[in-house]
Amino acid sequence: GAVVSQHPSWVICKSGTSVKIECRSLDFQATTMFWYRQFPKQSLMLMATSNEGSKATYEQGVEKDKFLINHASLTLSTLTVTSAHPEDSSFYICSAAPGTKIYEQYFGPGTRLTVT
Amino acid sequence: AQTVTQSQPEMSVQEAETVTLSCTYDTSESDYYLFWYKQPPSRQMILVIRQEAYKQQNATENRFSVNFQKAAKSFSLKISDSQLGDAAMYFCAYNRDNDMRFGAGTRLTVKP
Repeated sequence: GAVVSQHPSWVICKSGTSVKIECRSLDFQATTMFWYRQFPKQSLMLMATSNEGSKATYEQGVEKDKFLINHASLTLSTLTVTSAHPEDSSFYICSAAPGTKIYEQYFGPGTRLTVT
Repeated sequence: AQTVTQSQPEMSVQEAETVTLSCTYDTSESDYYLFWYKQPPSRQMILVIRQEAYKQQNATENRFSVNFQKAAKSFSLKISDSQLGDAAMYFCAYNRDNDMRFGAGTRLTVKP
């Protein structure tokens, strides 16, 4: 149980285009979803927290107009990187919290974004 | 803001031996959770062990155990009988109200 999927696992896009990454909780309802960014050989940095049906809360320094997060249902959250640039190339990881325990998060396998 | 510090960027251990990874954190809260996550080359985050701050007893999971020193804000991970499959990045994490903060990570190498 408690499986989180991400799609796509790897995406290459051209500079200036937008790309959408999906995060799904497959066997539970996620009241809260989180998006992290991980640069090579670095740690996970929280980008934003989203609750179903509400606007996402972004961490300081994260451009909300560039990284659009939608949490339209209890099993799906999407991250759209708008007008992508090479510096947006990174590994993006989502996690989902079922809300049954305040510390519980389940991580997706991540999405590697390369912007050329 | 809560910070998590892992002072060992890299560690190495001989197969079947024991290794300890260090982690310290800074918080003014008394109720929180601490975690060790493993990230293998696949980059899937795998929960290794969890510790509730209100519990004095150190958590254990098979070959993995922690030394939780709340007053010192220290949370080290001990891996016993190390196996080749233990080789990975290990991240220490602090969580309060599902706000998760990670340390910089320690890369563990296991030598056969």
